[in-house]
Amino acid sequence: SQQGEEDPQALSIQEGENATMNCSYKTSINNLQWYRQNSGRGLVHLILIRSNEREKHSGRLRVTLDTSKKSSSLLITASRAADTASYFCATAGELGGTSYGKLTFGQGTILTVHP
Amino acid sequence: AAGVIQSPRHLIKEKRETATLKCYPIPRHDTVYWYQQGPGQDPQFLISFYEKMQSDKGSIPDRFSAQQFSDYHSELNMSSLELGDSALYFCASSLAAVYEAFFGQGTRLTVV
Repeated sequence: SQQGEEDPQALSIQEGENATMNCSYKTSINNLQWYRQNSGRGLVHLILIRSNEREKHSGRLRVTLDTSKKSSSLLITASRAADTASYFCATAGELGGTSYGKLTFGQGTILTVHP
Repeated sequence: AAGVIQSPRHLIKEKRETATLKCYPIPRHDTVYWYQQGPGQDPQFLISFYEKMQSDKGSIPDRFSAQQFSDYHSELNMSSLELGDSALYFCASSLAAVYEAFFGQGTRLTVV
């Protein structure tokens, strides 16, 4: 089954509100990355968090990682209409593991921010 | 800053034809990945290369093959195309497999 399952599948909020997306995974990881994708466009790297980190910030983004629960969350604060996109988490397997050397994506959350 | 370059951006092929997609990674990146993304789907890993050697293989059909050349650019060759091969094909590169991967804009392949 899918490594990196995300919820919710779709999220609709008003500008200025915060958006939280969650990701769960199944195997041991070296790092977890979040990507953004506008409709039919390329994947834009947002942030990477390593397995020995618990929280990371980048601008309006806050990512947490709980390796004991094999889960991560992405928080976008003070959302803007321009944040409307699909957001994917992707896991990179640990060195020596079967998933090393590739990113495995979750199914993504479609975020819609209404002006 | 240089990004991952993919060509062509759009490609229309007929069933049973062959397609070649090209990827030029960010300079000094040693790892290249190929992904396939169907409509409304998450990206599916196809294959990766580390220092020009195949490092991992995902759900890549036998009709597809890929290689990485001495200048680190990579090509994905797809033969006997089927309607179901219509998708966005992404290439990504990274510096070693444990660093963030940067994606190209993708090639949209339409098989008719």
